[in-house]
Amino acid sequence: AQSVTQPDIHITVSEGASLELRCNYSYGATPYLFWYVQSPGQGLQLLLKYFSGDTLVQGIKGFEAEFKRSQSSFNLRKPSVHGSDAAEYFCAVGAGNTGKLIFGQGTTLQVKP
Amino acid sequence: DAGITQSPRYKITETGRQVTLMCHQTWSHSYMFWYRQDLGHGLRLIYYSAAADITDKGEVPDGYVVSRSKTENFPLTLESATRSQTSVYFCASTERGFSYNEQFFGPGTRLTVL
Repeated sequence: AQSVTQPDIHITVSEGASLELRCNYSYGATPYLFWYVQSPGQGLQLLLKYFSGDTLVQGIKGFEAEFKRSQSSFNLRKPSVHGSDAAEYFCAVGAGNTGKLIFGQGTTLQVKP
Repeated sequence: DAGITQSPRYKITETGRQVTLMCHQTWSHSYMFWYRQDLGHGLRLIYYSAAADITDKGEVPDGYVVSRSKTENFPLTLESATRSQTSVYFCASTERGFSYNEQFFGPGTRLTVL
């Protein structure tokens, strides 16, 4: 069965430090992978997505993610975190030809000044 | 306003009451989705719709009813609300049912069932 695991429920980093949020997926075919961000009280916004080609994907707000098929991972990175990055981050995999997404449990990012 | 909207944004109700959450999108997207967000579970799909008058169950459909008489609207009804349905509900849409298509999310409805 398709699934997505985000091992870290909560992460705290200092402003200016680098960030890596982990995501592991289970999917039989070529996965379509997404990272969404949810700011407090808001809906979800797409940060980036991978569906083919270059395994290093650039997104909005200075985020990038790397698809590693051998590790079934799609980790999200940012070289220098800002206070405005404090939010909840969701990794998701596209499930079949229905447009459905399967989400991980989410990682809450706290940024220390 | 263009985009996807949800109403109400906040709702408090009592056990056993019927509640309808509204979702409206202006893009004429074919696919629409309802998710619930609970701590420790991420977002779980309740129902989705591929077009007007076509709906299907997601992962957690029990206790919910949907309809889609018009492309732009996708209401979610809790026929007899229970405390376990206290959650934040998100509506989303996408143009086509391809796995690589981005979904666009509404701002959410926070529902409390007392």
